[in-house]
Amino acid sequence: AQKITQTQPGMFVQEKEAVTLDCTYDTSDPSYGLFWYKQPSSGEMIFLIYQGSYDQQNATEGRYSLNFQKARKSANLVISASQLGDSAMYFCAMREDNTGANSKLTFGKGITLSVRP
Amino acid sequence: ETGVTQSPTHLIKTRGQQVTLRCSSQSGHNTVSWYQQALGQGPQFIFQYYREEENGRGNFPPRFSGLQFPNYSSELNVNALELDDSALYLCASSGNNEQFFGPGTRLTVL
Repeated sequence: AQKITQTQPGMFVQEKEAVTLDCTYDTSDPSYGLFWYKQPSSGEMIFLIYQGSYDQQNATEGRYSLNFQKARKSANLVISASQLGDSAMYFCAMREDNTGANSKLTFGKGITLSVRP
Repeated sequence: ETGVTQSPTHLIKTRGQQVTLRCSSQSGHNTVSWYQQALGQGPQFIFQYYREEENGRGNFPPRFSGLQFPNYSSELNVNALELDDSALYLCASSGNNEQFFGPGTRLTVL
């Protein structure tokens, strides 16, 4: 089974509206971390937000928030007040803390987000 | 900007050649990981270095090798290049719950 699943086709959102990007994950490790990254066409991978498996609160960073539903194994990214510069690929990734490589990230296939003016 | 730098930015090689990619980690980070990102895919973990030792490896053949130096910068070496090695190579330096990526090296194998 895939460890990180991002199944949405290309997403479109109107400028200034909110959008949710879906991510589900699969792990038997009780300690893990979930990350979201943005990758514009330039290729750089930009860190957006992190959620630890033991965190009680959903993570927030400015316009980004993570809707963490542990029982459902989902970690959806919510972007509020979309901007044209938000158009990019978005990747969900997981770090499992009890593997040998303590910083190894497993990525999903990504979601393309296009913001319309 | 993350403080993670990579060189070169772009590289073109022919099949069978060898290549070395370089990464300087963010200040204070002692762990460097390398990823390969094929076109249209998510990054795939190659290996990780922690305090100059390999500390985990993904499903990549031995012709992918690396080094980490005392200043925590790192190299990725690929021998006997194949066409499928064409990809964006990303390095990431990590500390605590941060993992910051460099801008990547785009390798084209002809």
